Amino acid sequence: QSALTQPASVSGSPGQSITISCTGTSSDVGSYSLVSWYQQHPGKAPQLMIYEVSQRPSGVSNRFSGSKSGNTASLTISGLQAEDEADYYCCSYAGFSSVMFGGGTELTVL
Amino acid sequence: QLQLKESGPGLVKPSETLSVTCSVSGGSISTRGYYWGWIRQPPGKGLEWIGSLYYSGSTYYNPSLKSRVTISVDTSKNQLSLKLSAVTAADTGIYYCARSQSSQDAFEIWGQGTMVTVFS
Repeated sequence: QSALTQPASVSGSPGQSITISCTGTSSDVGSYSLVSWYQQHPGKAPQLMIYEVSQRPSGVSNRFSGSKSGNTASLTISGLQAEDEADYYCCSYAGFSSVMFGGGTELTVL
Repeated sequence: QLQLKESGPGLVKPSETLSVTCSVSGGSISTRGYYWGWIRQPPGKGLEWIGSLYYSGSTYYNPSLKSRVTISVDTSKNQLSLKLSAVTAADTGIYYCARSQSSQDAFEIWGQGTMVTVFS
């Protein structure tokens, strides 16, 4: 069971939009609409930002959106703000009652 | 509101068993429909799902850890427990408990985490 593949880092300027990809296989991301995204600031616990591919929990800004195509899920952050600088992790149900995380992406707001 | 708080030994010797507890307040650990999970994070690295327990008592484990992991619940104390046997330095990290009300991957409430170091 290998981790989902994410870019190690992405960056963008305030106000811009960025997209973080999360590539799995036909056995996990490609088979289920159970992909979630987490934001983690240094020294803090992760926070759920997106679930079921594109759903936002109550209280999460609508600047965060999720999508999926084939074996790849994506998180898009629009109107980038300094407070968005953090690590982001995707997570997918992988069948047989198992779950896997991506390796994480460090977002830098320039 | 629901709060989770992990507690652990801090230091564990190689080959011993790591035991971490998650105390749940503001709600019942037996509430229908919820998953309770353990996730860990080695220093400077990413998140790894260890396993989950469904409210019914069913448990699900990461295949790579399955032979060493036991997750259980004490409803009388409203606590979730994790035991990881035969630990090595690779088991060092922050251990988080978390709750999902929808699916196994979507943990919407997390504890603050507890750091466990495997050190001889």
